[in-house]
Amino acid sequence: KAGVTQTPRYLIKTRGQQVTLSCSPISGHRSVSWYQQTPGQGLQFLFEYFSETQRNKGNFPGRFSGRQFSNSRSEMNVSTLELGDSALYLCASSLEQGRETQYFGPGTRLLVL
Amino acid sequence: SQQGEEDPQALSIQEGENATMNCSYKTSINNLQWYRQNSGRGLVHLILIRSNEREKHSGRLRVTLDTSKKSSSLLITASRAADTASYFCATHGGGFQKLVFGTGTRLLVSP
Repeated sequence: KAGVTQTPRYLIKTRGQQVTLSCSPISGHRSVSWYQQTPGQGLQFLFEYFSETQRNKGNFPGRFSGRQFSNSRSEMNVSTLELGDSALYLCASSLEQGRETQYFGPGTRLLVL
Repeated sequence: SQQGEEDPQALSIQEGENATMNCSYKTSINNLQWYRQNSGRGLVHLILIRSNEREKHSGRLRVTLDTSKKSSSLLITASRAADTASYFCATHGGGFQKLVFGTGTRLLVSP
């Protein structure tokens, strides 16, 4: 099976812009989670989607949003980008919600200038 | 904020030596997992240990869990240069709770 794919892999934006990142889970996986990784804060949970519904949300401002489509693919959007949003954004999928083991994609590295 | 704290933050050893990294967490858990990350890429799941287990092995990996001390350790035996990576513990509270990651340990294995 193909692994989790994320596009784009690298992205450069300027402050105030918005960005959309995409994640395709492993075939058959229905749960998708998003994480932000920075040197200062480490790995932080953003949100989890299952059956097109957001099931869990981390402590991030409303500028961070996401959605999941009927084919389980997911997108996350960050509006009004700030310098501090520069990070590696990781997507992970699992078979069902609540399944412990997650399978991660390679990440999208976002740089905000 | 992150739940898990790992130590050491960085570890440098020679090939063939054993590497031990520790993880402490704050609340009750259903299971604890270890992941590896190479050079800022995606994480790879290594091993999962449940709260009712005390020790688990997988190849050169040995994980212990002490729920009374809220701590876990990961031992990599006979390390190889290819083991160079960051290692993260992650706790899961069960059910539909989220996975909470620790701060990570950077392991450097020199040939």
